[in-house]
Order: sequence, then C-alpha cells, then structure tokens
Amino acid sequence: GQQLNQSPQSMFIQEGEDVSMNCTSSSIFNTWLWYKQEPGEGPVLLIALYKAGELTSNGRLTAQFGITRKDSFLNISASIPSDVGIYFCAGHQGKLTFGQGTILTVHP
Amino acid sequence: GAGVSQSPSNKVTEKGKDVELRCDPISGHTALYWYRQSLGQGLEFLIYFQGNSAPDKSGLPSDRFSAERTGGSVSTLTIQRTQQEDSAVYLCASRPRGYDTEAFFGQGTRLTVV
Repeated sequence: GQQLNQSPQSMFIQEGEDVSMNCTSSSIFNTWLWYKQEPGEGPVLLIALYKAGELTSNGRLTAQFGITRKDSFLNISASIPSDVGIYFCAGHQGKLTFGQGTILTVHP
Repeated sequence: GAGVSQSPSNKVTEKGKDVELRCDPISGHTALYWYRQSLGQGLEFLIYFQGNSAPDKSGLPSDRFSAERTGGSVSTLTIQRTQQEDSAVYLCASRPRGYDTEAFFGQGTRLTVV
C-alpha cells in the first residue's frame, strides 16, 4: 500500500531557528497536506498543496508540492515556543495517508 | 457546531467488552475517515467512507473492528471484545467532495481498555 516516509522523527531547536521537515513517497499523490497536532487535540490543517511544483506560504510556514508529486517539504521560519507539537504530512489519493510525524521541541 | 464532533471524548472499558465510538462529520462532507493513534505514534488508517461507494476497510486491524455510516452522515466505529492493545486515541476526519479539498479532524476519543 501507499506509505509516506517523514523525516526527521524529532527536532530540538532554539527559539528563532528555522525548521525544515519533509515527506517522500513511492506513490504519486494528488494533494499534499501538512497538519500540526498538539497534546490532547486532533490534527489541525496548516497548509494544503494541490499542484505539482506549488509553493505555498502561511505566515512563517512555507510548503512545497514536489514536481514528481512524490514528495513535499514544510519549512518554519523564526520558530517560537508555541510551534511545539507533532507535524504530520499527508498525501491524498482517495484515502488520506499520513507520515509518521515529526516531533518539534522549541527551547526558549 | 461547525467542526467534526466525536463522542465520547474519553472511554474506559473492561477487556472483553464492546465499545462504540461516534463521529459527527461536518455537514455536507461526503468523505469520512477513521484513524487510530497510539501513544507517541503516527496516524494509522482504519477505514474510509466516500459518499455511497463501498467503504475502504483495508486498515481495520481485525474482524473485531467494524464501522458504519448511516445516511451518509454520522459514523460509528465498533470494537468488539476489546483488548488492551486497542487502547489508543481514535480520530475521525471528514472532507468535502473533490480532490482539491481538505480533511478536518475531530478531537478524538481516548479509549483505555483495562
């Protein structure tokens, strides 16, 4: 079946640093989504990407849909303590398939 | 409300008992997903409903798990003869029709089997 490989698994950074995480797949997806999950909550959508090569920003977040449709990355610039959480990528091709998540810790 | 609603938010049950978890999707959303998330883990796909099509049940871990969606709206996930390894957060998401659409999650049901 479809699988997404998300990396890194975890990141420990200082406030103000930039963060980058990515997902790769052996399958093509029509849509790539990036979610953030905080403790006790369901995942919340951050950015949606619909076209190969698309680069989309949402405040300090930037994400790209790879040209091959098999990968995507998410960048967070100038991190702040409230960025902590688990970040998931997801590919949509009928059902939604999720990456394993990246646990982000930001030290003040 | 406007979001995906799941109930109960927490459920503690004894091993061997059956449980039902409910999901109320966003009105008008045609697609509905169930995922399971064990502590510190990613999201494990369970089942996917899309409109009137036959559901994709490929993620259900055993025949103790089943789900239905009545009238294209509310969905119930049933776990029979619960085991301790069933303990997890069960998340539901819904999505409008179309490829260029986004899925929205409920807050989940935390199931603990003792």
